Amino acid sequence: DVKVTQSSRYLVKRTGEKVFLECVQDMDHENMFWYRQDPGLGLRLIYFSYDVKMKEKGDIPEGYSVSREKKERFSLILESASTNQTSMYLCASSLDSFTDTQYFGPGTRLTVL
Amino acid sequence: DQQVKQNSPSLSVQEGRISILNCDYTNSMFDYFLWYKKYPAEGPTFLISISSIKDKNEDGRFTVFLNKSAKHLSLHIVPSQPGDSAVYFCAAIGVGTDKLIFGTGTRLQVFP
Repeated sequence: DVKVTQSSRYLVKRTGEKVFLECVQDMDHENMFWYRQDPGLGLRLIYFSYDVKMKEKGDIPEGYSVSREKKERFSLILESASTNQTSMYLCASSLDSFTDTQYFGPGTRLTVL
Repeated sequence: DQQVKQNSPSLSVQEGRISILNCDYTNSMFDYFLWYKKYPAEGPTFLISISSIKDKNEDGRFTVFLNKSAKHLSLHIVPSQPGDSAVYFCAAIGVGTDKLIFGTGTRLQVFP
């Protein structure tokens, strides 16, 4: 059974703070993804990675960076948090092909004050 | 530009009846479509998918229909159950795209 875990369920940060969101998957998946979910906008892809140390920009990468030093771990970094980054952040992983099922973590609700 | 659209933000259906969730897309290069279901405080979970070589795929109470000429797909749930109450996202991927494109979601409520 695939398990994707995210380091925090709820997080409150202040404007300008550096924020780290961690995601770990336990199924040796090649691909990992970071999305944000906002009302009326659905899920939007921030960054994804198809291999260790590889990263690709998604649709809304501005204000974010990522790190994938190990296969099982994919981190999302907000260099200087802003209030418009208040959102639900969802991490996902998939086996290999981009049509493989994506398995999602429970999400981190980030509030930036 | 929203390439995958779910024009109904919410849907309310009585238990036992059919739920029909709709999704439209604009990119003719999409050739694989998926539906995900999301409960509050949980991540989305995969529900059902369909390739563009098919026009229907069925899995138990869930059936997805694809109309390529209309660039439209729909998810039918029959009979609907209260446990089906969730937000449903359609998603698409295709030639030249290396990532899933999600729709905005439809909140389904099934009442007794």
